[in-house]
Order: sequence, then C-alpha cells, then structure tokens
Amino acid sequence: DVKVTQSSRYLVKRTGEKVFLECVQDMDHENMFWYRQDPGLGLRLIYFSYDVKMKEKGDIPEGYSVSREKKERFSLILESASTNQTSMYLCACEQGPMNTEAFFGQGTRLTVV
Amino acid sequence: DQQVKQNSPSLSVQEGRISILNCDYTNSMFDYFLWYKKYPAEGPTFLISISSIKDKNEDGRFTVFLNKSAKHLSLHIVPSQPGDSAVYFCAASLPYGQNFVFGPGTRLSVLP
Repeated sequence: DVKVTQSSRYLVKRTGEKVFLECVQDMDHENMFWYRQDPGLGLRLIYFSYDVKMKEKGDIPEGYSVSREKKERFSLILESASTNQTSMYLCACEQGPMNTEAFFGQGTRLTVV
Repeated sequence: DQQVKQNSPSLSVQEGRISILNCDYTNSMFDYFLWYKKYPAEGPTFLISISSIKDKNEDGRFTVFLNKSAKHLSLHIVPSQPGDSAVYFCAASLPYGQNFVFGPGTRLSVLP
C-alpha cells in the first residue's frame, strides 16, 4: 500500500508567520501534489511536481511556494501566513506518467489567527 | 468557472437502497475520471475510475457510468450502507495529464 504522510494533523499559526507543511511518500511515485480543500470549492490544486526540483503552478499558487529536493518529499511553504489561508491542506502522489489514481495523505488542518 | 461540477451538495438515502451521485464536466478533452470518498479529518481515498474508452466500470458495490456525449458521469452504490456516509469527489484528468481537476463534492448520508 502507498503511504503518504503529512507532518502535522493540526496546526495553528499567527498571521505573518512562515509555515512549512511537509509530505513524504514511500512508493517512489513521480508526481506529487498539494491541494487545499474548502467547503463548496472541492479540492483546488496549489502546486504539483513531476520530478525532483521540478514544480508547476496549479490553480491557486499565490502566497505559496514548494520545494522538492528529494523524490519522496514535497514541501509546501506559506511565505507569510494570512487568515484566508486557513484551510485543510492535502498532499497526494501519483505514479505517472500515464493516468492512474492519486493517493492522499491524511491532511493538515491549518488555522491562521 | 468550474470544469468539474457536482450540482448536488448533499444526498440522503436509506440503508439498502441505491445511491446515485452525479458529476458533469465541461472540458471534452478529459479522458480519465475518478471518484474519491472522504471522511472528516481524513484524506480522500480512491474508490473507482473510468477511462473515456469505456462507458461503465464496476467494483463490488460501486459502479461508475460515463456518458461522453453528455459530458456526464455517475457513481452508483448498491446497496448503500451507513459506512458509505462521506463526501464524494469526482475528478477528471487530461490525456497524459499530470494533475486532476476535482468537483466541489457531494455529502452522502446513508440513514439506518
């Protein structure tokens, strides 16, 4: 079974803080993703990466950056947290290159106060 | 503008009956579709998928139907069980696509 582990289940941060969300997968999958889930909006793609050190912007990249220094690890960085970034953050991986299902981590509920 | 739509935010069904969750998409280039189930405070889990070369795919109690001409897919759960109560997300992908577009989700409640 694919295991995708996110470093925290719950986080509370202050406005203006730099926030790091970590994600590790154990199946050597090529593609990794960061989504945020908000009520009524579903899952929206923030960034994805198809290889080490490669990244592509998703639909809502503003206020975020990512890092993929190793194949198994994909980090999401909130440069200066704001209250509108309060959300559920979900990391996923996919084997690639052909279409297969994505596997998700358990999610990080981030609250910015 | 949402490319993947789930127009029913919620659905309630009696245990043992059929649950039908619907999904519409606007981009005719999508060629791979998936359904995910999500419990509160957990990540989504993959349920079933279908390629655009098929019109039906079954896995146990779950069947997905695809109508390409109508740009519509549906997930049937028969029989529905209380443990099926969750939010269901429809997702779509382009050929050789490296990301997925998700719908807003439908909350299914299966009543005992």
